Amino acid sequence: DTAVSQTPKYLVTQMGNDKSIKCEQNLGHDTMYWYKQDSKKFLKIMFSYNNKELIINETVPNRFSPKSPDKAHLNLHINSLELGDSAVYFCASSQEGPTNTGELFFGEGSRLTVL
Amino acid sequence: DQQVKQNSPSLSVQEGRISILNCDYTNSMFDYFLWYKKYPAEGPTFLISISSIKDKNEDGRFTVFLNKSAKHLSLHIVPSQPGDSAVYFCAALFVFDMRFGAGTRLTVKP
Repeated sequence: DTAVSQTPKYLVTQMGNDKSIKCEQNLGHDTMYWYKQDSKKFLKIMFSYNNKELIINETVPNRFSPKSPDKAHLNLHINSLELGDSAVYFCASSQEGPTNTGELFFGEGSRLTVL
Repeated sequence: DQQVKQNSPSLSVQEGRISILNCDYTNSMFDYFLWYKKYPAEGPTFLISISSIKDKNEDGRFTVFLNKSAKHLSLHIVPSQPGDSAVYFCAALFVFDMRFGAGTRLTVKP
């Protein structure tokens, strides 16, 4: 079973549409993240949730709204899609604790293409 | 503002030789540093990490060195193998906030 799974893996849509990317982790981790890898290949953190609470919210347009219905899920909803939103979006999870080394477990990525 | 920088976008080495990947950071608050490996069409996978209180951590063929005064870390792979060919991301962590470098594409030639 995949530890961190994202759906869909590929998404092609028109400008102005609203779309969602779902993420689920079966590792029992407390913290989940969304990262964006843009055309320059930078991996930039967008959001982080710990126990369903938002703890990191980087400078991301408010068209992006994360939703965490429970600890195992962190979905990303994007309104009014723009060309610049085209990227690969990675979901990740981690388990905090005194012996934690900060390792993130990543999903396979969701490639979003806005036409 | 890139807090973690990998200035070499690519590196090519011969099989059996040493690969050295470099990373610089700006924020002295980071308390863990990690290296991730990424193959095409896959998510990054954890490779090795080092706490800010150490200067070296070794795991098999992989060794990470940390120089806090220079805010610099490096990943050494020896001997390099063709299967090591991938993109390597340096990352730095403070509490829940992990920042990544832009990655270095390593190619190991047979």
